[in-house]
Amino acid sequence: EPEVTQTPSHQVTQMGQEVILRCVPISNHLYFYWYRQILGQKVEFLVSFYNNEISEKSEIFDDQFSVERPDGSNFTLKIRSTKLEDSAMYFCASIGRKNTEAFFGQGTRLTVV
Amino acid sequence: QKEVEQDPGPLSVPEGAIVSLNCTYSNSAFQYFMWYRQYSRKGPELLMYTYSSGNKEDGRFTAQVDKSSKYISLFIRDSQPSDSATYLCAMQAGTGGFKTIFGAGTRLFVKA
Repeated sequence: EPEVTQTPSHQVTQMGQEVILRCVPISNHLYFYWYRQILGQKVEFLVSFYNNEISEKSEIFDDQFSVERPDGSNFTLKIRSTKLEDSAMYFCASIGRKNTEAFFGQGTRLTVV
Repeated sequence: QKEVEQDPGPLSVPEGAIVSLNCTYSNSAFQYFMWYRQYSRKGPELLMYTYSSGNKEDGRFTAQVDKSSKYISLFIRDSQPSDSATYLCAMQAGTGGFKTIFGAGTRLFVKA
């Protein structure tokens, strides 16, 4: 069964460092998303991406964040200068042309120290 | 007012009980309603998906949507310890490209 794959599963980084979280969406899907879940809190929308550009972003997705689909298969989230409050699980999701429901990866746990 | 409201629980029930999980929402544009199950430190896993008002049944799970009341429910019959997880309601205004808005999630514990 096709699945969304995220790497790494856990990333520890020092405050102020840049991190890149990687996702491989399901191969024929067209819409891609990043969500964040701070420990014990709700899943929050960060950004959606379609046709090689951002289609929507939340207030959380400020100038420190960027997304890219560099090679037609990977979908990355970059945080330029991490802050302690960026510590969270980051989930990638994708949706196919005819689907409504999003399929989620297993997440990357980001710990900023 | 939050777009989606969901009681975070925790909800603790004995094995075999019927579980009722609920969400309310404020945005009348939502037309697609989902329930996801999330185990600790894992990604959300789709359980049920419904379009507009009505009921949908899948095994021990029944999803109900009442758009007039802006209220959705998930019922779990004959609950099992393996059903212990966080259940997230989620909704979208349209297909493909619309963001999914999640409730806070309800933590469910089913005791053997």
